[in-house]
Amino acid sequence: KAGVTQTPRYLIKTRGQQVTLSCSPISGHRSVSWYQQTPGQGLQFLFEYFSETQRNKGNFPGRFSGRQFSNSRSEMNVSTLELGDSALYLCASSLPGLAGVDTQYFGPGTRLTVL
Amino acid sequence: AQTVTQSQPEMSVQEAETVTLSCTYDTSESDYYLFWYKQPPSRQMILVIRQEAYKQQNATEIRFSVNFQKAAKSFSLKISDSQLGDAAMYFCAYRSARSGGGADGLTFGKGTHLIIQP
Repeated sequence: KAGVTQTPRYLIKTRGQQVTLSCSPISGHRSVSWYQQTPGQGLQFLFEYFSETQRNKGNFPGRFSGRQFSNSRSEMNVSTLELGDSALYLCASSLPGLAGVDTQYFGPGTRLTVL
Repeated sequence: AQTVTQSQPEMSVQEAETVTLSCTYDTSESDYYLFWYKQPPSRQMILVIRQEAYKQQNATEIRFSVNFQKAAKSFSLKISDSQLGDAAMYFCAYRSARSGGGADGLTFGKGTHLIIQP
C-alpha cells in the first residue's frame, strides 16, 4: 500500500506571497493532520481534518488554513507568507477515528523556504 | 494543555549495545496514547511503537520496547542491539484518547538525536 505523499517536496517563496501544499493520505485513511516542524519550535500541530471537516485546530494565525476533499486528499494554504513560516510541513494520515485514536502515519514533508 | 519533555538532546551508543531514551509528560487526563516516532536524516517520520495508557503491559517490537510508568508519567524507549540504521531523531508524542483525539493533535517532545558509533 502506498504511503502518504506530499507535493511539492520543496518550495521557495517570497514574503507576502501565498502557498498551497498538497497531501494524499494512505488509501482508506480518512483523517489527515498537518504539522509544522522548525528547529526552534519543534513539531507543532496545525489542524486535523476528517470527512472534509476540520476537527481540531492548533494555535496558529488565520493565515494558515486547510481543507479536505471527498477523496480524503488535503491541502493547506498559507497566505501573506512571513520569513518565520519557513519550515518543514508534515502531513499525517490515519484510519477513521470517530472514537478512539488511530496511529498517524507521516509523509516525507514539504520544505518551504520564504525569502 | 499537555506537555512532553525529552531531557536528552543527544545520545550516543556503540553498535550492538543497548540505549534508553527518556520521555516524561504532563497531563491531567487518565486515558491517552503515547508514541515513539523516528525521523532519520531523510526526514520521513516513522512510527516506532505505540502504547495505550489503559494497558499495563509495556508495548514491544523487535529490538524496541518501552517502560511505561503511568503514575510517574514516564515513557522511555529501549533500543536493543543498536544498528547503524537506528541513527535518527527520536520523538516522543502524546495524544488524548478523548473522542476525536482531543484538540491538540499529537503533542511532541523536542526530540533526542541518537548517534550510533560503529
